[in-house]
Amino acid sequence: AQSVTQLGSHVSVSEGALVLLRCNYSSSVPPYLFWYVQYPNQGLQLLLKYTSAATLVKGINGFEAEFKKSETSFHLTKPSAHMSDAAEYFCAVSESNAGGTSYGKLTFGQGTILTVHP
Amino acid sequence: DTGVSQDPRHKITKRGQNVTFRCDPISEHNRLYWYRQTLGQGPEFLTYFQNEAQLEKSRLLSDRFSAERPKGSFSTLEIQRTEQGDSAMYLCASSLRRQSTDTQYFGPGTRLTVL
Repeated sequence: AQSVTQLGSHVSVSEGALVLLRCNYSSSVPPYLFWYVQYPNQGLQLLLKYTSAATLVKGINGFEAEFKKSETSFHLTKPSAHMSDAAEYFCAVSESNAGGTSYGKLTFGQGTILTVHP
Repeated sequence: DTGVSQDPRHKITKRGQNVTFRCDPISEHNRLYWYRQTLGQGPEFLTYFQNEAQLEKSRLLSDRFSAERPKGSFSTLEIQRTEQGDSAMYLCASSLRRQSTDTQYFGPGTRLTVL
């Protein structure tokens, strides 16, 4: 069964510093991977997704993530944090069959709350 | 192009009452998903539809929960005889399934509080 582990439930950075949010997945076949952001009392907004094309994926708001099969990781980074980045971030996996077709439903990690200090 | 909408945004009910939530997906999206999110946790999959067919239900979905998607458009999620443990955010997402994968777009959620 697929699973997602997000290391660090809270990450705190200074404005302008590098943001690194960690995500490791467990899947028996190459998965589809997603990062979502959630602001308080709101739904989830898609940041970026990996669908087996390029291993380095660029998303919205300056975020990017790199798929590393050997490490089963999909860490999210941003070179310079902004105050508006403060939110909760979720990594999610959609498992696929041997033919590469996604089953659809997402399995989410526990989330990482990002705090940005002035 | 409007996004996924959910109604109501907040619902407070007493234990034992029935509640129903509605989700309107993005127009022409053929898949619709329901998730539940409790405080401090990531969303957990409940069920999903492709058009009007309910294709999968999680074991989390007890007999008190039922979901429908008549005519493959909006969906409703009903909880009968609510319990305090049902208090959570209920999230709906929709997607356009094309070829091998789809990307889910989420609504703002319905926050349920059971007293």
